[in-house]
Amino acid sequence: DADVTQTPRNRITKTGKRIMLECSQTKGHDRMYWYRQDPGLGLQLIYYSFDVKDINKGEISDGYSVSRQAQAKFSLSLESAIPNQTALYFCATSDLDEQFFGPGTRLTVL
Amino acid sequence: GNSVTQMEGPVTLSEEAFLTINCTYTATGYPSLFWYVQYPGEGLQLLLKATKADDKGSNKGFEATYRKETTSFHLEKGSVQVSDSAVYFCALSSLAGGTSYGKLTFGQGTILTVHP
Repeated sequence: DADVTQTPRNRITKTGKRIMLECSQTKGHDRMYWYRQDPGLGLQLIYYSFDVKDINKGEISDGYSVSRQAQAKFSLSLESAIPNQTALYFCATSDLDEQFFGPGTRLTVL
Repeated sequence: GNSVTQMEGPVTLSEEAFLTINCTYTATGYPSLFWYVQYPGEGLQLLLKATKADDKGSNKGFEATYRKETTSFHLEKGSVQVSDSAVYFCALSSLAGGTSYGKLTFGQGTILTVHP
């Protein structure tokens, strides 16, 4: 079984809808991250969490929120989706500086 | 702030050709440096890393040497295979004291296509 899983893998939604992306990990890491990937821009950090009680904004947090429900679960929400949030979203976990990525969620906002 | 610049792609090579993907960085403190690879339809996975100056990371025939004097971490492979076709990302992690969260700063990625 994969160490980091993301659901859904693909999602198409409409402008203004609320959507939640979920991430679970079995690696036992305290640190978890959400990134978005746009063509030609690499990965940009949205939010990160050191542990269940610690949530921090990344480079591009506007329009997003997160919830750390447990050590193993970290969800990303778009309260009111807009078309420029169409992207590939990755969850990651880490111990110290090596990060382990999930397979990604491809989100399309129409 | 921290930044990573990779050579622009895409890069197209024939099988068994020599590969170099350039990566330079700007960072405060003493960053760790990484190369991640993303195969089609998959998430990123660590290819190799180096944690201090002059260290050489290596894996699957790929190598990169941490050059502090030129702030570079170029990826090389002597003989590429079709299966190496992927997107390659250079990244750095700055573990400054007091905020050791290991946040990664990524380059924009380089698409590599290897033809038979």
